[in-house]
Amino acid sequence: AQSVTQPDIHITVSEGASLELRCNYSYGATPYLFWYVQSPGQGLQLLLKYFSGDTLVQGIKGFEAEFKRSQSSFNLRKPSVHWSDAAEYFCAVGANDMRFGAGTRLTVKP
Amino acid sequence: GAVVSQHPSRVICKSGTSVKIECRSLDFQATTMFWYRQFPKQSLMLMATSNEGSKATYEQGVEKDKFLINHASLTLSTLTVTSAHPEDSSFYICSARSGYSTDTQYFGPGTRLTVL
Repeated sequence: AQSVTQPDIHITVSEGASLELRCNYSYGATPYLFWYVQSPGQGLQLLLKYFSGDTLVQGIKGFEAEFKRSQSSFNLRKPSVHWSDAAEYFCAVGANDMRFGAGTRLTVKP
Repeated sequence: GAVVSQHPSRVICKSGTSVKIECRSLDFQATTMFWYRQFPKQSLMLMATSNEGSKATYEQGVEKDKFLINHASLTLSTLTVTSAHPEDSSFYICSARSGYSTDTQYFGPGTRLTVL
């Protein structure tokens, strides 16, 4: 069965610092991988997705993610974090039967 | 494009009453819609998948008689929480997927249900 692990429950970074959020997946075939962001009390916004092709995927708001099959990982990165990036981030795998990780809460220090 | 709305955004009801939540795809036809439940500070749990014109498929442990799902058109799905109890209080989020882009779900803003 497919599953997603986000090892970090909460991460705090300073504004302007770089960010990496970890995601590991378990999937029997080539995975469909997603990163979503959720602000408090809001729905989910798609940041980026990977299905095939180039393993470095560019998304919205300056985010990127790299698919590494050998490590079963799909980590999200941003070179310089803005205060408005503070939110909950979810990694997800699958298309018909999407499974979400537990989420990582990002706090941005001024 | 790919906008999904939910109504209402918040609802408070008394225990024992029923509540209907609407999910609409505003600018595309959603052949498949999904309903999720999210407890505070937790992840999303898939409740059911509905295809337009057919019965919903419920995840294990989700009571289909309690959470009635109707997907009568390509732009509208409804979730009715019947005989609601305080333990049904949660954040309910729907998502929609078009027949052309079968790989990506677009999420609504969610509905906060509080049962007193």
